[in-house]
Amino acid sequence: DTEVTQTPKHLVMGMTNKKSLKCEQHMGHRAMYWYKQKAKKPPELMFVYSYEKLSINESVPSRFSPECPNSSLLNLHLHALQPEDSALYLCASSRIRAGGNEQFFGPGTRLTVL
Amino acid sequence: GQQVMQIPQYQHVQEGEDFTTYCNSSTTLSNIQWYKQRPGGHPVFLIQLVKSGEVKKQKRLTFQFGEAKKNSSLHITATQTTDVGTYFCAGQSFGNEKLTFGTGTRLTIIP
Repeated sequence: DTEVTQTPKHLVMGMTNKKSLKCEQHMGHRAMYWYKQKAKKPPELMFVYSYEKLSINESVPSRFSPECPNSSLLNLHLHALQPEDSALYLCASSRIRAGGNEQFFGPGTRLTVL
Repeated sequence: GQQVMQIPQYQHVQEGEDFTTYCNSSTTLSNIQWYKQRPGGHPVFLIQLVKSGEVKKQKRLTFQFGEAKKNSSLHITATQTTDVGTYFCAGQSFGNEKLTFGTGTRLTIIP
C-alpha cells in the first residue's frame, strides 16, 4: 500500500467552528508532514512529526494544532480559523534516513473558511 | 531562510517541443527532489538527486544537479499532453528535515 489518505476531501467551516483533518498511511513511514498550499503557489511546510514527536513547527498560529496519535495517523485540529486560512491542506509521509527521502502526498483537504 | 526559485513561472509549448525548467537555491543543498502536480492534484515525486553534477534520466525527462549543489534543471524532450502540470523542485539542506519547495513552473501544452 503506497497511498496516503486524507479526510475529508472538502471542508467548509465558519470562523467559530472546531474541526479536524485526518491523514493515514500504512507504508511504515516514521515521518509525517502537514503542508498548506494556496492556489498557484508551492506547498508550504507547517509541521513535521518524526517518530510520532513534533520535530518542526514552522511558526504556525496556535489555531492550528497537530496531533500524531500513532505512527500511521496524523491529525490537524482547527479552531477559530480566519478566511485567509482557506487553502489546500496536504499531508505527506516519508521514511527517515540520511540523504533525503521522497515524500508521498495525500490528495489533500480543500478547506474554505467563511 | 532558505529560498528556492524556479524559472520560468509559466511555459506554453507546442506538443512535441522541448521544455526546460531551472531551479536555484540560496543555500547549498544536500539533495534536491522534483515533484509534478497535475491540475487539481497533489505533488507526486519524480526523482531525487544527491551528488554534485549528477544527471539522471527517466524516459523523456532529464534531471541535472549543479556542481555547486545550488541549482538544478529538468528537461523534457518532445512534450506530450500528459506532461501538463506544475513542476516543483524541492531542496533539503544538510542536517535539516525540512524540504523547501521551489516556486514552480506551470507547463501547458498546445495540441
